[in-house]
Amino acid sequence: NAGVTQTPKFQVLKTGQSMTLQCAQDMNHEYMSWYRQDPGMGLRLIHYSVGAGITDQGEVPNGYNVSRSTTEDFPLRLLSAAPSQTSVYFCASSIGTANEKLFFGSGTQLSVL
Amino acid sequence: GENVEQHPSTLSVQEGDSAVIKCTYSDSASNYFPWYKQELGKRPQLIIDIRSNVGEKKDQRIAVTLNKTAKHFSLHITETQPEDSAVYFCAASMGNSGYALNFGKGTSLLVTP
Repeated sequence: NAGVTQTPKFQVLKTGQSMTLQCAQDMNHEYMSWYRQDPGMGLRLIHYSVGAGITDQGEVPNGYNVSRSTTEDFPLRLLSAAPSQTSVYFCASSIGTANEKLFFGSGTQLSVL
Repeated sequence: GENVEQHPSTLSVQEGDSAVIKCTYSDSASNYFPWYKQELGKRPQLIIDIRSNVGEKKDQRIAVTLNKTAKHFSLHITETQPEDSAVYFCAASMGNSGYALNFGKGTSLLVTP
């Protein structure tokens, strides 16, 4: 098992550009989520999904879209990148429909200039 | 979302000493409290978790205690080793849904030989 795979590992964008961060898991986990990590701020939930076809907003959803067409994939879309979205992004999954025992991906470091 | 306060933000101990990290939460509906360890440049990894119907849980050198009345929980690491050096995050489940977590801002633990 590869676990939770995130791509790309690093990305630099210009303000206004759009892009998609990819997240895939091969553990057949129902629950997937996206967090952003900023220095001194801990991890903040952006969006989450409790199963294919179901998504919901977290604490900081503005500027981001998600979809969950399959159990395996949970991409995060930045619609029009802003410098405030410079951060490290982590995708996570867990076996149940809850947020317990999260498995995190290796992260994507995003810089928006 | 509801706040999770974590203290201290940095902690330095000598190898072999104990380390204690404390968290408080405000959401009375929280019922699940995990702790994650994040080594420099790596992904967060679950080290221990506790549910609200349990007051204490141990796993080798790591223990977590929970006081639901006072809304605080603590991580205890005994016989610390240099490889325990990392950032530790506490978290509390968000509301009644159990679908999301509120994370503390992290404690940077340094264990010196």
